[in-house]
Amino acid sequence: AQKVTQAQTEISVVEKEDVTLDCVYETRDTTYYLFWYKQPPSGELVFLIRRNSFDEQNEISGRYSWNFQKSTSSFNFTITASQVVDSAVYFCALKDSSYKLIFGSGTRLLVRP
Amino acid sequence: SQTIHQWPATLVQPVGSPLSLECTVEGTSNPNLYWYRQAAGRGLQLLFYSVGIGQISSEVPQNLSASRPQDRQFILSSKKLLLSDSGFYLCAWNLGGLTYEQYFGPGTRLTVT
Repeated sequence: AQKVTQAQTEISVVEKEDVTLDCVYETRDTTYYLFWYKQPPSGELVFLIRRNSFDEQNEISGRYSWNFQKSTSSFNFTITASQVVDSAVYFCALKDSSYKLIFGSGTRLLVRP
Repeated sequence: SQTIHQWPATLVQPVGSPLSLECTVEGTSNPNLYWYRQAAGRGLQLLFYSVGIGQISSEVPQNLSASRPQDRQFILSSKKLLLSDSGFYLCAWNLGGLTYEQYFGPGTRLTVT
């Protein structure tokens, strides 16, 4: 069965600190897709990144970077030099052979000035 | 570009009253459409998805129903609301094939009193 675990319920950091959000997934499929979404206080989920199971290259986009490791079934998200605007709930999600996106329970990030 | 709309933005309804939430997508054709519910402080639960007009799949048995009367319109309904129906309802869309990320609407915050 598919499952996504975000063990960190809430993280609090001071502005400019680096922070890593953990995501561990389970699936029996060999082809699958992993995602990160951001949910700011307004509520709308914002798509951040998709990663395919056959592409383990890490990705960097500005202050955001993602580390995908199939060996440990992890897809971690790092924010470098965090800012107050990064405060949000972040969701990791998995899609394999079904139509469904399986979401983790989310990690609430609070960046304090 | 594609946009997704949901209305109303907020709704307060008494127990036992009917419900109708609407979602429309602009700028694309034949999207897959999804309804999610997010209870306070929790992750997202997929309620319904649709791959075409009149084609609805239910993920969770409950007193809610969904309909897709037009290609880009998705409606969530209930004949009699329960207190447990309170939550944040999000509509999402994507296209089939290689594009798997879902794009979410602004959401409807429903409070059943």
